[in-house]
Amino acid sequence: QSVLTQPPSVSGAPGQRVTISCTGSSSNLGAGYDVHWYQQVPGTAPKLLIFGNSNRPSGVPDRFSGSKSGTSASLAITGLQAEDEADYYCQSYDSSLSGRVFGGGTKLTVL
Amino acid sequence: EVQLVESGGGLVQPGGSLRLSCATSGFSFSNYIIHWVRQAPGKGLEYVSGINTKGDSIYYANSVKGRFTISRDNSKNTLYLQMGSLRVDDMAVYYCARARVESYGGYDYWGQGTLVTVSS
Repeated sequence: QSVLTQPPSVSGAPGQRVTISCTGSSSNLGAGYDVHWYQQVPGTAPKLLIFGNSNRPSGVPDRFSGSKSGTSASLAITGLQAEDEADYYCQSYDSSLSGRVFGGGTKLTVL
Repeated sequence: EVQLVESGGGLVQPGGSLRLSCATSGFSFSNYIIHWVRQAPGKGLEYVSGINTKGDSIYYANSVKGRFTISRDNSKNTLYLQMGSLRVDDMAVYYCARARVESYGGYDYWGQGTLVTVSS
């Protein structure tokens, strides 16, 4: 069981908006540690999508946005496109484990 | 261009050992914290280990503590992971990933991964 909890799957039609939640605890997100988000197309390495809760690396479309509040964070994707179909992971630091932790991952299906 | 290239994966018997390497280029290796992250077949990402710039502060996931050893050679721009007492549940694709410079920053560059298969 992952320290950060994500829904196993979400889906949406092209053009729609979807959100992926990431729930932590007082030793990670609630302690003020940043959350980062990754996109992974099966068979390829993960790609940084959002860093520091809400910042996009250069080249990431502004359709992707992140937010964090208390022990929870979320990734929003607007204007859903077929190419967004992938696995998405949140990641942070946990002071109890003294290490970085990942969420279990969420599979996004574009209908 | 920033590049991280893993090597050293392969087939090993349970209880065996393997040494992974992560050769880097295109950035100042000695200024970055680098980590190992793995992904078992069909599973999610799992943090394995990380090492600071000087190599004097090291982190291990509980699942590998005492069996794996991370190290780096800043003169060769290379990260290593010595894996021992390998178990079937260590079977995974192992990625090295560069952490952004801010504290507990996200991983902005990843290697392509190297597959470790543990089987008799």
